[in-house]
Amino acid sequence: LAKTTQPISMDSYEGQEVNITCSHNNIATNDYITWYQQFPSQGPRFIIQGYKTKVTNEVASLFIPADRKSSTLSLPRVSLSDTAVYYCLVLPTGTASKLTFGTGTRLQVTL
Amino acid sequence: NAGVMQNPRHLVRRRGQEARLRCSPMKGHSHVYWYRQLPEEGLKFMVYLQKENIIDESGMPKERFSAEFPKEGPSILRIQQVVRGDSAAYFCASSPPSRYANTGELFFGEGSRLTVL
Repeated sequence: LAKTTQPISMDSYEGQEVNITCSHNNIATNDYITWYQQFPSQGPRFIIQGYKTKVTNEVASLFIPADRKSSTLSLPRVSLSDTAVYYCLVLPTGTASKLTFGTGTRLQVTL
Repeated sequence: NAGVMQNPRHLVRRRGQEARLRCSPMKGHSHVYWYRQLPEEGLKFMVYLQKENIIDESGMPKERFSAEFPKEGPSILRIQQVVRGDSAAYFCASSPPSRYANTGELFFGEGSRLTVL
């Protein structure tokens, strides 16, 4: 399984763009990169997934360089409600399998 | 389409008692996963089940913990003879059957918070 490394915490002001970078040096050819968001006292929620280059949805953008050894989750113009823990996951190859969560990045947004 | 339903949301047990946590996956989902989250920590995988089969239980403690996902009814995580260290949030997630099951999206419930006195 590819191990992921991301900052433990980040702080931001409301309205700013936040970029959270995740390192996954041992990513395999068939692995996808996935990000989840978890609010306090709730279960994690899928945000975005990508394989290479850039993926964008209504919530975030995901940037993946050509070597795929890292990825960056970009949250545009964060608000207080974006305060949460963000998890970077690399999906293992094969058929059905578990997801492995690390400790994530705790994002604190303030006024 | 209801989401993943977990109950009870909160459970208090005394040391030595049994705890049973239930999870009903989303409609049409046949894969269920259980995770445990200790306070201020990330989620730890416990077990992955399909209907009537345990696929991966590599994260389950060897003793006192068991899980099942019967043909009918919810998945159940059972903890026997609970100890204080079992106090945690237990999350269930489900995913649909798929030839390429590594689609990355698991649908999580709100969790069951177990407190052992």
